[in-house]
Amino acid sequence: KAGVTQTPRYLIKTRGQQVTLSCSPISGHRSVSWYQQTPGQGLQFLFEYFSETQRNKGNFPGRFSGRQFSNSRSEMNVSTLELGDSALYLCASSIGQPNTEAFFGQGTRLTVV
Amino acid sequence: GENVEQHPSTLSVQEGDSAVIKCTYSDSASNYFPWYKQELGKRPQLIIDIRSNVGEKKDQRIAVTLNKTAKHFSLHITETQPEDSAVYFCAATGRRALTFGSGTRLQVQP
Repeated sequence: KAGVTQTPRYLIKTRGQQVTLSCSPISGHRSVSWYQQTPGQGLQFLFEYFSETQRNKGNFPGRFSGRQFSNSRSEMNVSTLELGDSALYLCASSIGQPNTEAFFGQGTRLTVV
Repeated sequence: GENVEQHPSTLSVQEGDSAVIKCTYSDSASNYFPWYKQELGKRPQLIIDIRSNVGEKKDQRIAVTLNKTAKHFSLHITETQPEDSAVYFCAATGRRALTFGSGTRLQVQP
């Protein structure tokens, strides 16, 4: 069974640009959650999608958005990039039922210069 | 929303010693508490989890305890080995997605 796949693995963008990250969950998983990981802030929850609907949302500005497709693949978009957006972005997939294991992808390392 | 605090932020032990990492949570509705291990440059991976209807769970050298009344849970690693060196994250969830603690960097000295 293939694991959670995130693309691209690395990105370098300039301030003010926008970026789109992709996450393909484990086959059969309907929930995809996104997290931002920085050295000082740990794993911060961005949002969760389940069956193409945003089910939960963290405390990030509106520049951060996402969507989920009918095949459960999810994309995350960040507009008007700031230097502080440099981080490792991780997605996690699960079957979507409460109290079930979440499996992480390898992440996308975004650097904003 | 949920708030999870994790201590200590760094922990150094000698090989063979035990290590304990503690977390507290704020939302009494939380009922699932996983622990993830993240090695350098790798993705977080689940090592053990516990649900609120259980007070303790063991898996070989790893154990987790949960005190619902006090809203805290702990990870215990016995007979530590150099390969246990990593960052460990606790998490809690009930009605929302996982909320993670800030992480503990465990270093096992050979």
